[in-house]
This record gives sequence, C-alpha cells and structure tokens, in this order.
Amino acid sequence: NAGVTQTPKFQVLKTGQSMTLQCAQDMNHNSMYWYRQDPGMGLRLIYYSASEGTTDKGEVPNGYNVSRLNKREFSLRLESAAPSQTSVYFCASSEAKDFPRWPQHFGDGTRLSIL
Amino acid sequence: AQSVSQHNHHVILSEAASLELGCNYSYGGTVNLFWYVQYPGQHLQLLLKYFSGDPLVKGIKGFEAEFIKSKFSFNLRKPSVQWSDTAEYFCAVSRSFSGGYQKVTFGTGTKLQVIP
Repeated sequence: NAGVTQTPKFQVLKTGQSMTLQCAQDMNHNSMYWYRQDPGMGLRLIYYSASEGTTDKGEVPNGYNVSRLNKREFSLRLESAAPSQTSVYFCASSEAKDFPRWPQHFGDGTRLSIL
Repeated sequence: AQSVSQHNHHVILSEAASLELGCNYSYGGTVNLFWYVQYPGQHLQLLLKYFSGDPLVKGIKGFEAEFIKSKFSFNLRKPSVQWSDTAEYFCAVSRSFSGGYQKVTFGTGTKLQVIP
C-alpha cells in the first residue's frame, strides 16, 4: 500500500551542486506532478507529465528539469542548486484517464535545503 | 490570471466548535474545486471535490463545502471540530486548458489549531 514514494526525505546541498529527486507510484496512474511548497505561498506546480513520454512546464519550471522514465517514475533534477530552491517538494499522481486531471495522491515530500 | 484566496491564515478553535474556512477564486469560467488537508508531518490528502451537480459537497471525516458560483466561493465547513482536525487546509481550483491539462491553483493554506 505504498502509493507515491519519494526519495530522499531530507537533503542539504551547497549552492551549485546538482541533485535528482526521485518519485515512483504503484497505482498505475497516468499523470504525475512535481510541486514545491513554500511558506505563505501554497503549492506551486513545477512540471507535470500527462502520460509516459510527455512532460510540460508548470508555473515555476526555471532551474529544474524532469524525466518521465516510465509510467511509474517521474524524477526532478536541479542542475545547479540555488538558495531560492530551498523548499519542500511534493510529487503527486492522478489516474487521469479522462478529464479532469488533478493531483489525487501525494508523496510524503522531500525537504531540501540549499546553503 | 487564476488565483485562489484563503483569507484566514491561522484559526484557533476549541473542540466541538463549528468551523468555516473561506475560499474565494478569481476565474469566471467553468472550474473544479477542491479542498486538501495536510496533517502535521504528513502528505496532502484530498478532503472533497466539486465538479458539477449539487453545490453542497460532502467529504471525508464530516467535512462539507458549498460552491456558491455568484460569490466565487467554496467554503469548507464542519459542525463540530475535534483535536484530530488540527492540520493545514488548502483550497484549490482547476480549469481546463488545451490538451486536457487542468491547471490547478492552490491557495496559501489555513492552519487550523483545535484546542482540547
């Protein structure tokens, strides 16, 4: 009964380092999402993937790249981390066979600090 | 641009008090509406959603929300809160764009603290 699994749960990086956040879901969902959560700003969509092999930018994509490796996995990469990317990152998925597409299940989050 | 406002940032209630959390959105077209809850240390969970039909939506754990189109509002209510309802509550609004993607915009959240 795993749902959406994110790794790692915590990470501290230095400015300029790179890192990949991993996300996997075992619900056979088509759509997957990456959000960041910052105090006083709610959740903001970074990237999403409506199906295997497709990805699209969300509200705040700058500084990030994503890969939809297969139906289960959707990774988020920070190529050159900046302090402004300090945040809690959530992966989510949804069945999304038809409309509408919205996040149904969330992972536990990755708390990322950039020094 | 689509926006969602949750005017109450922090609400403190005693157990058994009634709850109403406000949510207003700015988009005038067809929208879908959601309330999510995040318990301390946990991930977000969907409380309830509205797509169409009866504007009074029942969710899990005794929560309900009413969609009032004329007021662009989707307020969350619960008649009697419990200590276990202490959490952060997020309202979200989605609308369709080309390609089928539903742009979901989240509010900034309301932290509810229930005092035993």
